[in-house]
Amino acid sequence: DTEVTQTPKHLVMGMTNKKSLKCEQHMGHRAMYWYKQKAKKPPELMFVYSYEKLSINESVPSRFSPECPNSSLLNLHLHALQPEDSALYLCASARAGRETQYFGPGTRLLVL
Amino acid sequence: RKEVEQDPGPFNVPEGATVAFNCTYSNSASQSFFWYRQDCRKEPKLLMSVYSSGNEDGRFTAQLNRASQYISLLIRDSKLSDSATYLCVVNPFPLAGGTSYGKLTFGQGTILTVHP
Repeated sequence: DTEVTQTPKHLVMGMTNKKSLKCEQHMGHRAMYWYKQKAKKPPELMFVYSYEKLSINESVPSRFSPECPNSSLLNLHLHALQPEDSALYLCASARAGRETQYFGPGTRLLVL
Repeated sequence: RKEVEQDPGPFNVPEGATVAFNCTYSNSASQSFFWYRQDCRKEPKLLMSVYSSGNEDGRFTAQLNRASQYISLLIRDSKLSDSATYLCVVNPFPLAGGTSYGKLTFGQGTILTVHP
């Protein structure tokens, strides 16, 4: 089973809203990732968590705040987003020490 | 030079055709290589990892040439369901030591359309 789940599937929010994206995996993977993907572009890495600790932040604006409450869960808190932040947000996970990543179905975000 | 370069296509081929995609990477220390496919408005899904000896999975064959820093994917007997974007993905960091987690580098993707 290589399932990564994400909620919600779709999200529409205003620039003053606060919302959160959720990602979950039960494969025992110890590395989890957030990516942002715009139309017709490849995914862009945002954050990497390794053993529940933030190990990589790709200079993401502070209006995006990741959180890893436990080894199965990854959240992305959103606040004061801009319309250009509209994109598909993908979560992925991988076994510690392995690089094969498995992606969730993504959350399609629209910021108005 | 981009870290991972792919021909964006699009490739339009009839059912049953054989099609090949190529990809080059710039970091000679890279150790892990993958092909992912991504359907429209869906997430990337791992198609296959690519090994130095080459590997095959049904109609799909992947090859790696480290000397030329070149990766290929061959699809034989194309099906309509093969229509997707194919992403060449490289982990530019060596497996041993360092933060090898997650710094995958994606090519821009190659669009394939298989028509009846």
